[in-house]
Amino acid sequence: DTAVSQTPKYLVTQMGNDKSIKCEQNLGHDTMYWYKQDSKKFLKIMFSYNNKELIINETVPNRFSPKSPDKAHLNLHINSLELGDSAVYFCASSRTDSNQPQHFGDGTRLSIL
Amino acid sequence: QKEVEQNSGPLSVPEGAIASLNCTYSDRVSQSFFWYRQYSGKSPELIMSIYSNGDKEDGRFTAQLNKASQYVSLLIRDSQPSDSATYLCAVNGDSGGSNYKLTFGKGTLLTVNP
Repeated sequence: DTAVSQTPKYLVTQMGNDKSIKCEQNLGHDTMYWYKQDSKKFLKIMFSYNNKELIINETVPNRFSPKSPDKAHLNLHINSLELGDSAVYFCASSRTDSNQPQHFGDGTRLSIL
Repeated sequence: QKEVEQNSGPLSVPEGAIASLNCTYSDRVSQSFFWYRQYSGKSPELIMSIYSNGDKEDGRFTAQLNKASQYVSLLIRDSQPSDSATYLCAVNGDSGGSNYKLTFGKGTLLTVNP
């Protein structure tokens, strides 16, 4: 199936640990995104990559480091996890054009104990 | 700071009625406007996009855009219980060069009562 897929779906870990979330899209898009949706359901952009190049970097702690090995993949590594990092993280992709909608993955629910 | 405002609701309508969801945005140069539906525990799903002033219809959904008033709305005709979800308004604007950033509203929770 053509889609944006991210793994893992659920991530439960302890404060202070380091974890990664992976994202892959086979839609042929050249722009990928990471969003954070908090407990109040507010969806906020974190990062965007276009053809492996970082183009949007919102005010995010530098414990969060995105990596794009190619334009079909965008991973998110988080160091020294904190309680406030608990949220659902969505990966999305689109073509590079203001008229193109973004397509979302199923999300990764991160819970910090 | 670009902002997208939505009434958080909940908006409750009876089955078969018209549900009207509203959204305003702050950035006058915004170019593209999207409505996403998000069921509880699921990812946002695109249901409508609109780029020019006026109405755009797709099945039971109609999106309306008024750039002068910086206002975009979504009408759902013949509402069904399966339409119960959070509806997210998203606005795409120029964030510099050829880069475009999608800014989401906080969403309106719609409940359709059988």
